[in-house]
Amino acid sequence: EVQLLESGGGLAQPGGSLRLSCAASGFTFRHFDMTWVRQAPGKGLEWVSAITETGDTSYYADSVKGRFTISRDNSKNTLYLQMNSLRADDTAVYYCAKDLRYSYGWGQGTLVTVSS
Amino acid sequence: EIVMTQSPATLSVSPGESATLSCRASQTVSSNLAWYQQKPGQAPRLLIYDGSTRATGIPAKFSGSGSGTDFTLTISSLQSEDFAVYYCQQYDNWPPLTFGGGTRVEIK
Repeated sequence: EVQLLESGGGLAQPGGSLRLSCAASGFTFRHFDMTWVRQAPGKGLEWVSAITETGDTSYYADSVKGRFTISRDNSKNTLYLQMNSLRADDTAVYYCAKDLRYSYGWGQGTLVTVSS
Repeated sequence: EIVMTQSPATLSVSPGESATLSCRASQTVSSNLAWYQQKPGQAPRLLIYDGSTRATGIPAKFSGSGSGTDFTLTISSLQSEDFAVYYCQQYDNWPPLTFGGGTRVEIK
């Protein structure tokens, strides 16, 4: 069974940084592309970023390009999202998801709140 | 960027009835469309991919149709566990992957 467990969310000040982690189990992590999707409170889903199975290629939404960095450590079965220069509109639940084009497995999400 | 538009925003349905949800793309996405269900406080769950293929474990009461720019998700004989928000998402032309704004299916 696919299990994805996000961590690292919390309260950050505008302009601050956070690093999210997503620990994967139940599947061969190194064989799958991975994705981050976020959901602002009471709003819909927004794709944030994705990374290929080897980590060689990454993709970003325009809203986070230049501020967020996706990475992975296949030896640790873990996906990361380094978030810098945080803004109030980055406030959301951040989900990691297995696969890239469409996602069979999702974590339960971690809440990021950006506020002074 | 391909814009996905879902209608209606809210659909009120009585238990036992069927629901028809629509999703329209701003340009063709071929059959590269997925549907997700999300219940309050939960992560989305994949229902349909490639426009009409049910994901593993998804009951036949959920069916997807369409191609190009117009898609439909039909849910037959709604039960209490089916009342949720449903999202469509295109993966034909990316990045970015884009989602519709969602349709809330509520009890009438």
